[in-house]
Amino acid sequence: AQSVTQPDIHITVSEGASLELRCNYSYGATPYLFWYVQSPGQGLQLLLKYFSGDTLVQGIKGFEAEFKRSQSSFNLRKPSVHWSDAAEYFCAVGPYSSASKIIFGSGTRLSIRP
Amino acid sequence: DTEVTQTPKHLVMGMTNKKSLKCEQHMGHRAMYWYKQKAKKPPELMFVYSYEKLSINESVPSRFSPECPNSSLLNLHLHALQPEDSALYLCASSQGGYTGELFFGEGSRLTVL
Repeated sequence: AQSVTQPDIHITVSEGASLELRCNYSYGATPYLFWYVQSPGQGLQLLLKYFSGDTLVQGIKGFEAEFKRSQSSFNLRKPSVHWSDAAEYFCAVGPYSSASKIIFGSGTRLSIRP
Repeated sequence: DTEVTQTPKHLVMGMTNKKSLKCEQHMGHRAMYWYKQKAKKPPELMFVYSYEKLSINESVPSRFSPECPNSSLLNLHLHALQPEDSALYLCASSQGGYTGELFFGEGSRLTVL
């Protein structure tokens, strides 16, 4: 079965510290992988996406993610977080051909300690 | 600024009311979506319109009725809702027939009394 697991429900990091949010997926074919961010009371915004090629992808707002096929993981990283990064982060997986089949993970809430 | 505009941002309605949520995009996208999101949960797909035709209905109750008047507009008509339908309703669009990047609106927060 296709699924996305975000094992951390809530993470708190200090401002200026590095960040890694975990995402593991189960998918039968080559997946199309995404990270979306949702600030409180807002819609979702795409941070970055991966389909093929370089396994380290760069996104907006200084985020990057690394695809590791052997570990079925697509972890999101940022070297130095800002207070404005406090939000809900969703990992998602889907087929290349259809946005309607995207499966979202349960989300990780990021809090920033001043 | 989001390129998918949803109105209203907030809506309170009684269980006997009829109301509508509206969504508009001007990116030339040919697929539009309605998602429902409860607090602290990921979005759940409700409907997909592809090239103005309903292509996916995720077994949504008939008290929710989608409509796509043209390729830029998407409506969600609401009638006889239940309190458990209170949620954030998100509209999204994508290029359609293309890879899965979704562009979301800011959502309409619905409260059913």
